[in-house]
Amino acid sequence: DAKTTQPTSMDCAEGRAANLPCNHSTISGNEYVYWYRQIHSQGPQYIIHGLKNNETNEMASLIITEDRKSSTLILPHATLRDTAVYYCIVRVGNGGSNYKLTFGKGTLLTVNP
Amino acid sequence: NAGVMQNPRHLVRRRGQEARLRCSPMKGHSHVYWYRQLPEEGLKFMVYLQKENIIDESGMPKERFSAEFPKEGPSILRIQQVVRGDSAAYFCASSVDSYEQYFGPGTRLTVT
Repeated sequence: DAKTTQPTSMDCAEGRAANLPCNHSTISGNEYVYWYRQIHSQGPQYIIHGLKNNETNEMASLIITEDRKSSTLILPHATLRDTAVYYCIVRVGNGGSNYKLTFGKGTLLTVNP
Repeated sequence: NAGVMQNPRHLVRRRGQEARLRCSPMKGHSHVYWYRQLPEEGLKFMVYLQKENIIDESGMPKERFSAEFPKEGPSILRIQQVVRGDSAAYFCASSVDSYEQYFGPGTRLTVT
């Protein structure tokens, strides 16, 4: 699976949009971008995933650049409960040995009141 | 629809004892994964199981660790003769297929 690079930490004001970047310059054509988050002492929570089109769900939006070498997770209106470590993971969509999620160090997002 | 359930949530064992961690996947999920998170580190894949089969145990330590997912009942991660270095959070995840994995709340193992 391709390696990802994320900033170590970010701050965001409550109510504002949080934009979390991820670089994955070695991504392959059949690899998806997944985002998970881990709130302190809890299990990781799936947020969203995408291949090349932008995606949106009730939690967040995922913007993938046209060359697919980077992406941005957007939390449109951050709340204090969004404070967590956010992981960007690249993996093949299905089949083969792609089931392993490889968690890096992620980005610690702190939402401030 | 209940999420992934793990028990116990906290487990304290003395060195040399056995630890048994249980995971009940989400309803309809037949794929189970175990991950370990050591203090101040990211999650590391341990093992992937489907009903009655171990698909990939490449992340499991070679000794003392075993996992099963029987036809009936929860998946079990078993650690024999625990040592202090086994102290960690152990997370179970389940999925319908190989796409999104949904994680449980974890079991925090402390070896004294």
